[in-house]
Amino acid sequence: GEDVEQSLFLSVREGDSSVINCTYTDSSSTYLYWYKQEPGAGLQLLTYIFSNMDMKQDQRLTVLLNKKDKHLSLRIADTQTGDSAIYFCAERYSSASKIIFGSGTRLSIRP
Amino acid sequence: EAQVTQNPRYLITVTGKKLTVTCSQNMNHEYMSWYRQDPGLGLRQIYYSMNVEVTDKGDVPEGYKVSRKEKRNFPLILESPSPNQTSLYFCASSLRSNEKLFFGSGTQLSVL
Repeated sequence: GEDVEQSLFLSVREGDSSVINCTYTDSSSTYLYWYKQEPGAGLQLLTYIFSNMDMKQDQRLTVLLNKKDKHLSLRIADTQTGDSAIYFCAERYSSASKIIFGSGTRLSIRP
Repeated sequence: EAQVTQNPRYLITVTGKKLTVTCSQNMNHEYMSWYRQDPGLGLRQIYYSMNVEVTDKGDVPEGYKVSRKEKRNFPLILESPSPNQTSLYFCASSLRSNEKLFFGSGTQLSVL
């Protein structure tokens, strides 16, 4: 069935890189997304990648997609305290009307 | 300002008392959707609407109703709320179903 899995927690030191991982099951998904949820707020789209791409870079963010292993990762370079949030991986299911979200990874930054 | 507005932000109610959570978007989006967020479960889709007068069930529709009489509004109705519907609810919209989702700020519902 459809499933998107992420680890629940990640703790990194300020200034280090954060890598948040995600696995998905639908090999026919067209878009894969990373959303950020700050405390008390809704989700905001951080970045996305088309399924025919391997990598996408946007300033401090790098998204890597391994279609063979159905693995998606988000790397945040030079992690700052403002990056503390829950990060959701999501895939657009092949029917296009449905987006499946992972359980979210809570990123905490230690000094 | 382009936004998705949900009301109320917080709601405490009792079992069986009908309630409505409103959602409105000012971006002329065709697609709207409701999600609930529970710890460890991520976001699960309740209902979605591809356009006016078109609604479909998501993954967890039981106990909920929606309507889409106008393009901008997509209210979520709980006819007889139960404690297992205590959750954080998000409304989202996008121009079309395959485009970027914009989320509201959420409604924290507690059913006693």
